[in-house]
Amino acid sequence: DAKTTQPTSMDCAEGRAANLPCNHSTISGNEYVYWYRQIHSQGPQYIIHGLKNNETNEMASLIITEDRKSSTLILPHATLRDTAVYYCIVRVAFSAHAGKSTFGDGTTLTVKP
Amino acid sequence: NAGVTQTPKFRILKIGQSMTLQCTQDMNHNYMYWYRQDPGMGLKLIYYSVGAGITDKGEVPNGYNVSRSTTEDFPLRLELAAPSQTSVYFCASSPTFGVNYGYTFGSGTRLTVV
Repeated sequence: DAKTTQPTSMDCAEGRAANLPCNHSTISGNEYVYWYRQIHSQGPQYIIHGLKNNETNEMASLIITEDRKSSTLILPHATLRDTAVYYCIVRVAFSAHAGKSTFGDGTTLTVKP
Repeated sequence: NAGVTQTPKFRILKIGQSMTLQCTQDMNHNYMYWYRQDPGMGLKLIYYSVGAGITDKGEVPNGYNVSRSTTEDFPLRLELAAPSQTSVYFCASSPTFGVNYGYTFGSGTRLTVV
């Protein structure tokens, strides 16, 4: 699976949009981009995923560049409860070894009042 | 539907002791994984399984063993515990071809080796 690169930390003002970038320049055509977040020391929580089209759900939006080498997770109206570590991973979904994904160190997002 | 259940939640081991971390899921997921997370760091894959009877090594398998006799259970065995194994251990599962689903994680086991 392709590796990802994320900034170590970011700050965001409460109520503003939080834009978290991820670089995955070696992504393969059959790899999806997934985003998770980890609040305090809880288990990571799935947020969103995409292949090449932009995606939106009740939690966030995912923007994937046309060449698929990078993506941005957008939290449209960040709240203090969105303070967490955000992980971007790439994963082959249709494979006998689709599960073998690695998590990097993620981006620590701090939402400030 | 409990999801992924890990036991115990906390454990203190002495150097050289052994233990098994339990993980069970009730979602009929074929894929299961064990990750460890050291303080302030990301998750590292220890072992994973694509189905009952099939396991494979991840990034950091040394000092650990796994087995997968049923779809539901994926225990992680620590033999001869060392201080370097002090960490939080997360178990996760996912469907086989579940593009529309990510991993479901358990709440973790916090292990201290002294």
